[in-house]
Amino acid sequence: GQQLNQSPQSMFIQEGEDVSMNCTSSSIFNTWLWYKQEPGEGPVLLIALYKAGELTSNGRLTAQFGITRKDSFLNISASIPSDVGIYFCAIIQGAQKLVFGQGTRLTINP
Amino acid sequence: DSGVTQTPKHLITATGQRVTLRCSPRSGDLSVYWYQQSLDQGLQFLIQYYNGEERAKGNILERFSAQQFPDLHSELNLSSLELGDSALYFCASSVVQGPNTEAFFGQGTRLTVV
Repeated sequence: GQQLNQSPQSMFIQEGEDVSMNCTSSSIFNTWLWYKQEPGEGPVLLIALYKAGELTSNGRLTAQFGITRKDSFLNISASIPSDVGIYFCAIIQGAQKLVFGQGTRLTINP
Repeated sequence: DSGVTQTPKHLITATGQRVTLRCSPRSGDLSVYWYQQSLDQGLQFLIQYYNGEERAKGNILERFSAQQFPDLHSELNLSSLELGDSALYFCASSVVQGPNTEAFFGQGTRLTVV
């Protein structure tokens, strides 16, 4: 099955720092999604990207759909304690299912 | 609150047993998806139903089965349980067939097989 390579696997940062994470694939996709999962909860969609080169923001979060359609990036600016969680990239395969990356676990030191 | 309800939240059972996980989708959503989340495999798609019919299958074991009922709730049945089946099981729902619009996830059922 399709593999998404998400990095880094984990990040330990200070409150107020900016965060960057990315996902790459060997295949081309038409949609890239970014989800956040908090402890005890299911994943929640943060940003959806539908066009190569697209740059979309959601508050302090900004995601980009790579021009090659094989990668995507998520940036979080001025991190705050509630940003803690696991961030997943995902693509839509066959119009039916989501394929997720392995996740980036974000820990913030106050 | 996503509007997707999963029960039970936690389940502890012994190897060889059979369990049923239940999912109530958001009001108006016709598609239900089941995902398994384990430490070593991450979030894996299991199966999708749309308006009562199976529409897509992922890496779902033969020991696992699911169905969607006329009232659109869904059940995931896991049988002959093994230690490796311990995981979080998520249900998600969306309005249309396929997650091209936002799919909303429930809080999950944590299954522990001992």
